Amino acid sequence: DIQMTQFPSTVSTFVGDRVTITCRASQNVGPWLAWYQQKPGKAPKVLIYKVSTLESGVPSRFSGGGSGTEFTLTISNLQPEDFATYYCQQYNDYSTFGQGTEVEIK
Amino acid sequence: EVQVVESGGDLVQPGGSLRLSCAASGFIFSDHYMDWVRQAPGKGLEWVGRSTNRGTGYIKLYAASVKGRFTISRDESKNSVYLQMNSLKTEDTAAYYCISWLYGRGYWGQGTLVTVSS
Repeated sequence: DIQMTQFPSTVSTFVGDRVTITCRASQNVGPWLAWYQQKPGKAPKVLIYKVSTLESGVPSRFSGGGSGTEFTLTISNLQPEDFATYYCQQYNDYSTFGQGTEVEIK
Repeated sequence: EVQVVESGGDLVQPGGSLRLSCAASGFIFSDHYMDWVRQAPGKGLEWVGRSTNRGTGYIKLYAASVKGRFTISRDESKNSVYLQMNSLKTEDTAAYYCISWLYGRGYWGQGTLVTVSS
């Protein structure tokens, strides 16, 4: 099974800051990597799929990158509505999620 | 427009059974993989299982935590996928989500809540 290690688990930051979240896979997952945003009581929302494809309607301050086993989600100019929990997901071999990163207001 | 709608969540006693349904629309159902994912209260996301598509023979895959207790099935005439859950444990308490995979992008439903408690 492919393991996904996501870090940091929590990041405290300010509106306007830039945040980078990293996911590391135990094996090559090719282009099959997605990022989600989740707010309390809601279903996860697709932000990015296939490593770097921005979902329609998602602001361009969200961007995804990386390849093989290391991937990043970057949020530039953090807005109040971006404070949430973020998850990565590999879907190359079955599927596995990262442990999640909570982005909180400092 | 692709839509995925789960139903069937309920309160059930430990050792009991429950069947969740996921109705899909907006795409050729038999062509695409369908997953189940769950999230226990206050916890992260856990992949539960998958049904592949007609082209690959509708293979069923399961997470180790549910293998032998949960069964995925599909009804192509109803564009639906099901999750039959037997021998339920308190740790199966979670919101259950259905995902349809189209061209490398997952479409999620809003989830259905399963509570296993006496």
